[in-house]
Amino acid sequence: RKEVEQDPGPFNVPEGATVAFNCTYSNSASQSFFWYRQDCRKEPKLLMSVYSSGNEDGRFTAQLNRASQYISLLIRDSKLSDSATYLCVVNGDTGRRALTFGSGTRLQVQP
Amino acid sequence: DAEITQSPRHKITETGRQVTLACHQTWNHNNMFWYRQDLGHGLRLIHYSYGVHDTNKGEVSDGYSVSRSNTEDLPLTLESAASSQTSVYFCASSASGVDNEQFFGPGTRLTVL
Repeated sequence: RKEVEQDPGPFNVPEGATVAFNCTYSNSASQSFFWYRQDCRKEPKLLMSVYSSGNEDGRFTAQLNRASQYISLLIRDSKLSDSATYLCVVNGDTGRRALTFGSGTRLQVQP
Repeated sequence: DAEITQSPRHKITETGRQVTLACHQTWNHNNMFWYRQDLGHGLRLIHYSYGVHDTNKGEVSDGYSVSRSNTEDLPLTLESAASSQTSVYFCASSASGVDNEQFFGPGTRLTVL
């Protein structure tokens, strides 16, 4: 079983739609959680960290469910510029600064 | 502005040759990482370093080595390149601490023929 699992998509949505991505992780000792964004043939960039209480950054909302080992990302009012691959990322045990990446979910927002 | 760079950006080599990929960061970060990205696998950790003279193996370290002689650089060496090492390689760095954001270089596309 992969440490971090995501639906690869692609998710094809119209502009203005709301779309949600889910991710599960296997290591119950994981301490830190992130969503990264990767544009085609580019490097990954941090989109947002995910906190236990849930957090929002503009049109983006991230949620964490530790009991179910589940992370989500909600994008409201999708823009064409949101088209990218979204990577679910988990830090391992406390003190381990290396990250484990999911394979990514591809989003294509259509006009 | 601080940045992280990789060179070369593209490399074609032959099976059995030694190849070194350079990574240089001007963030003064202690933590540096090498990943490879392949279709269907996402990013996988090859080696990482928490500071000068510190190196650690990641999940796919076989056939690769790194050394950290200063804060700015973490070169990745493929001792004897194999076709299975054809991939896109990303270097990343982060400040000390568990939750700090990792900044990625632009990547090196390596083809082993």
